[in-house]
Amino acid sequence: QSALTQPASVSGSPGQSITISCTGTSSDIGGHNYVSWYQQHPGKAPKLMIYEVSNRPSGVSYRFSGSKSGNTASLTISGLQAEDEADYYCNSYTSSSTPWVFGGGTKLTVL
Amino acid sequence: QVQVVESGGGVVQPGGSRRLSCVTPGITSEYYSMHWVRQAPGKGLEWVAFIRNDGNDKYYADSVRGRFTSSRDNSKTVVYLQMDSLRVEDTALYYCAKDQNWGFGAWGQGTMVTVSS
Repeated sequence: QSALTQPASVSGSPGQSITISCTGTSSDIGGHNYVSWYQQHPGKAPKLMIYEVSNRPSGVSYRFSGSKSGNTASLTISGLQAEDEADYYCNSYTSSSTPWVFGGGTKLTVL
Repeated sequence: QVQVVESGGGVVQPGGSRRLSCVTPGITSEYYSMHWVRQAPGKGLEWVAFIRNDGNDKYYADSVRGRFTSSRDNSKTVVYLQMDSLRVEDTALYYCAKDQNWGFGAWGQGTMVTVSS
């Protein structure tokens, strides 16, 4: 069982917006601003999409945005495109004995 | 864009050992703190280990603490993950990733470790 909870799947049509949630505790998401999000296409390495809750690395589309409220972080993808279809993982630094934890992953389907 | 290349994977028997290597071609890795992250076949990502750029701080997941050890060589161009007392459940694709603002920036393509008799 993952330390962070994500929905197993989400879907949306091209052009729509979707939001993926990532729920943790006050020891991880709620207690630190070190939440990051990763996109992984089949057979490929993960790619950093968001770091420190809401910052986009250079080269990542403005359509990707991150936020946090309490113990829950969110990734929003606006203007869905077919190429966005992938697995998405959240990660947070934690105060526990395992200092970084991932969510279980969310499969995004673009209809 | 920083490149990351892992090597050292293979098939090992339960209870055996394996050492993985991670290099950043063209860049002196001493400037980077590095993570190891693994992904079992068909499963999600699991953070495994971290080593700071100066090698003085190391952290491990509960699932591998006491069995896995991260290190870097004196020239600090290579980061290692020594894996001992391997278990079937350690079977996974092992990624090395550069630390970026407490997340994982550049990733390699991974090296597969299979623990099987």
